[in-house]
Order: sequence, then C-alpha cells, then structure tokens
Amino acid sequence: AQSVTQPDIHITVSEGASLELRCNYSYGATPYLFWYVQSPGQGLQLLLKYFSGDTLVQGIKGFEAEFKRSQSSFNLRKPSVHWSDAAEYFCAVHDAGGTSYGKLTFGQGTILTVHP
Amino acid sequence: NAGVTQTPKFQVLKTGQSMTLQCAQDMNHEYMSWYRQDPGMGLRLIHYSVGAGITDQGEVPNGYNVSRSTTEDFPLRLLSAAPSQTSVYFCASSYRGSRTDTQYFGPGTRLTVL
Repeated sequence: AQSVTQPDIHITVSEGASLELRCNYSYGATPYLFWYVQSPGQGLQLLLKYFSGDTLVQGIKGFEAEFKRSQSSFNLRKPSVHWSDAAEYFCAVHDAGGTSYGKLTFGQGTILTVHP
Repeated sequence: NAGVTQTPKFQVLKTGQSMTLQCAQDMNHEYMSWYRQDPGMGLRLIHYSVGAGITDQGEVPNGYNVSRSTTEDFPLRLLSAAPSQTSVYFCASSYRGSRTDTQYFGPGTRLTVL
C-alpha cells in the first residue's frame, strides 16, 4: 500500500530564512504528488503538484518542490520565508490505480512556525 | 463561484446522537469525497463519490453513511456518534477524480462528541 511520511512534525524558522520541508513516499508506480497548505482554521489549499516531466515544480506563494525518484522524496522549499507562511503543510500522493478515483493519501503534516 | 462549502463550521454532539454534515460545490464536479483530520495522522478518506448515485468506501468508513442524489451535494451522516468521531471533517471535490485533477477542499467542520 502506498504511504507518505513527513519526518518533521514541527519546524521553526526565522522570517527571511530558507525553508525545506521533507516528504518521502512509498508507491510502486510513477507517483502523482501534491503539497497542500492549511492555515489555522482554514481548509487545504493546493501549493503545487507533480505528475511528470521536469522534476522541479513551481507553485504558488513562491514555493517549489523537487521530485527525486532515487530517494522517493518530494521536498518542499522556499528561499525566504514570510510570517504569513506559518501554517501546516501536507504532502500527499494520489492513488491512481484501478478504481481508486481521486484517493489522496496524506502525510502526517508539518507545522511551520515563523519567528519575526 | 463559492467553491466547496460546508455546514456547520462547529458542532457538539452527545454520544449516540445522529447528525448530518453538509457539503456542496458549485463547480459541476463529478468527484466528491469526505476526509477526517486527526492530529498527527494527516487526512484520511472516509467515503467518496464519482457521480450522482455512486458512492464507495474509503479508508475509515465505519460509523458514517453517505449518499449522492445530486451532483452538487454530498452529505455525510453520523448514525450514532461516538467520542472516537471527534475530528475535523473536510469535504473535497474535483472534476472527475482523475490523478491529474486538482482537488478543492472546503473549510471544514469541527465536530466534538462528548
């Protein structure tokens, strides 16, 4: 069965510092990968997604992620964090096999705190 | 477009009570789903629907019922609430639920079962 692991439960960075959130997946075929962000009290918003092609994908709000098949990773990065980036971030993989329409498997989430 | 809407935003139930969480979307999406979010566990799929009249179970379906009589609405019913169902519930929709479709999430319903 597919799975997604986000090793860091909580990360704290200073405003203006760079950020990398880790995501490892387990999936037999080519994965369809996503990063979502959830601000406090809000729903989930899609940051970016990877289906195929260029392994470095750009998303909204200045985020990017790199797919590394050899490491089964899809880490999220941002060169300079803003206070408004404080939120919980979820990595997810799409279960695209058979009749598993739209079934996303999520990681446990990483809470990002930004210090001024 | 309002996107995906959910009501209520908050709800407190007593053990054994029943209730329905409402979800509606105005994007004419065929695929809709319900997830629950628990601390440290991410989101887990409860039920999903690929179109009106078609539903199927997800990862954690026990204690929940769904039906899909229209394209727009996908209510989630708790038949006899239990404390283990205390969670935040999210409804999501996408065009057809294919792997390349973006899923849009509602703002969530925070449910507490006493």
